Amino acid sequence: AQSVTQLDSQVPVFEEAPVELRCNYSSSVSVYLFWYVQYPNQGLQLLLKYLSGSTLVKGINGFEAEFNKSQTSFHLRKPSVHISDTAEYFCAVSPLRGSNYKLTFGKGTLLTVNP
Amino acid sequence: EAQVTQNPRYLITVTGKKLTVTCSQNMNHEYMSWYRQDPGLGLRQIYYSMNVEVTDKGDVPEGYKVSRKEKRNFPLILESPSPNQTSLYFCASRRGGATDTQYFGPGTRLTVL
Repeated sequence: AQSVTQLDSQVPVFEEAPVELRCNYSSSVSVYLFWYVQYPNQGLQLLLKYLSGSTLVKGINGFEAEFNKSQTSFHLRKPSVHISDTAEYFCAVSPLRGSNYKLTFGKGTLLTVNP
Repeated sequence: EAQVTQNPRYLITVTGKKLTVTCSQNMNHEYMSWYRQDPGLGLRQIYYSMNVEVTDKGDVPEGYKVSRKEKRNFPLILESPSPNQTSLYFCASRRGGATDTQYFGPGTRLTVL
C-alpha cells in the first residue's frame, strides 16, 4: 500500500517570491511520482511526473520537482510565482506494477499568491 | 480535442433517488476511474476499469456501482444516494500503464439532501 503526506495544507506567498510545496510518500513497492494542479472550479491537470532517470524533473508553468529516494520525498518548487499560480496542488504516487496502477493522492496544498 | 467529459456538472437530489453521472472520453483509453474529492481528504478512488467489462473496487466503493459496456463510457451509478455521498466527483482516463498521464474530467458537484 502507498500513502502520501503533503506537509502543508495552505501556503500563502507574495507574487514573485519562491515557493516549495512539500510531499513525502510511503510505499512497500517502487512507485512513480506525480504532481497535479487544480485551478478553481476545474479538474486536475498534470504538472510533472517522475518515472526514472534524473531526479530533477521539470514541468509546465516553470515548476520543477526533485525526487529524493533516501528521504522518500518529492518536493515541488518554483523560483518566482505569479498570481495565476493560485491553485490547489496534489502530490500522487502510482505503483510500477499491479492490476490497478491506482493514483494515491495526498490531501492537497492550497497555494495562494498575493500581490 | 482530447478530453474527458462528465454530466451533469452540478446536481442536487434527495436521499434515495437513483442517479447516474456519465463519463465519456474520446482518446480510446483503456483505463478509466472514478474519484471523489472531499475537503481535507484529497481524492479517493471509488472504482476503476481496466477495459470493457472489466471493473473493480477502489478504496471507497460502498454505495456506488459502475459499468463499462463501451470503451469510451464509464458511468457512475448511485442507486440510493445518501447525504454522506455529497461530494465532488471526478472521472479520469489513461491509455494503459502506470507511466501514462491520467486525464481528468471537469468534475460533478453532487449534493444529496
